[in-house]
Amino acid sequence: QVQLQESGPGLVKPSETLSLTCTVSGGSISSYYWSWIRQPAGKGLEWIGRIYTSGSTNYNPSLKSRVTMSVDTSKNQFSLKLSSVTAADTAVYYCARAIVGATDFDYWGQGTLVTVSS
Amino acid sequence: QSVLTQPPSVSAAPGQKVTISCSGSSSNIGNNYVSWYQQLPGTAPKLLIYDNNKRPSGIPDRFSGSKSGTSATLGITGLQTGDEADYYCGTWDSSLSAGQVFGGGTKLTVL
Repeated sequence: QVQLQESGPGLVKPSETLSLTCTVSGGSISSYYWSWIRQPAGKGLEWIGRIYTSGSTNYNPSLKSRVTMSVDTSKNQFSLKLSSVTAADTAVYYCARAIVGATDFDYWGQGTLVTVSS
Repeated sequence: QSVLTQPPSVSAAPGQKVTISCSGSSSNIGNNYVSWYQQLPGTAPKLLIYDNNKRPSGIPDRFSGSKSGTSATLGITGLQTGDEADYYCGTWDSSLSAGQVFGGGTKLTVL
């Protein structure tokens, strides 16, 4: 059974860079799209972007200038960096998997809360 | 403001049927498959429906999906108290701002 687990600091200071890693277990990271999705408290889902195992990326245009994603196939991990964070970036961050050509996410991590505060 | 439009809330009694609508445009729902997710309180979203109307293994047939034009609908029959959750629709948007898009979510209350 495929499992995804987010990890990273739960508290980030304003103007700094948020960094998260998603570790994939129970299956290969290869040949899938891997996305980051966030959800502010009491609000809906927002797609941040995705990375293919080749390293190609697609980002949400509203966040593109601040987002960088990377993948390490040797460790079965992919990562998110979001720069110049503000309180508006406080949210639960999820990692999720999509099959190539699919528009759905079949596996999700449990989510990790990141709070932006000084 | 979400790209896909869902009603904020719906409610029905146990055993009854409910539908949740999701409205979009030709650049998203009109030309791409729709998926639906169930998010129980304090948990991650769970895939309920993919490719408009297919159910992943383990999802009961009480849950169904359909699509017509630029709108999609999630149906739930035989409502149970355990179905109380937030439901989200999602799809790919092929416009210049291409990317995955979601509805704002619908809170289902089982009275």
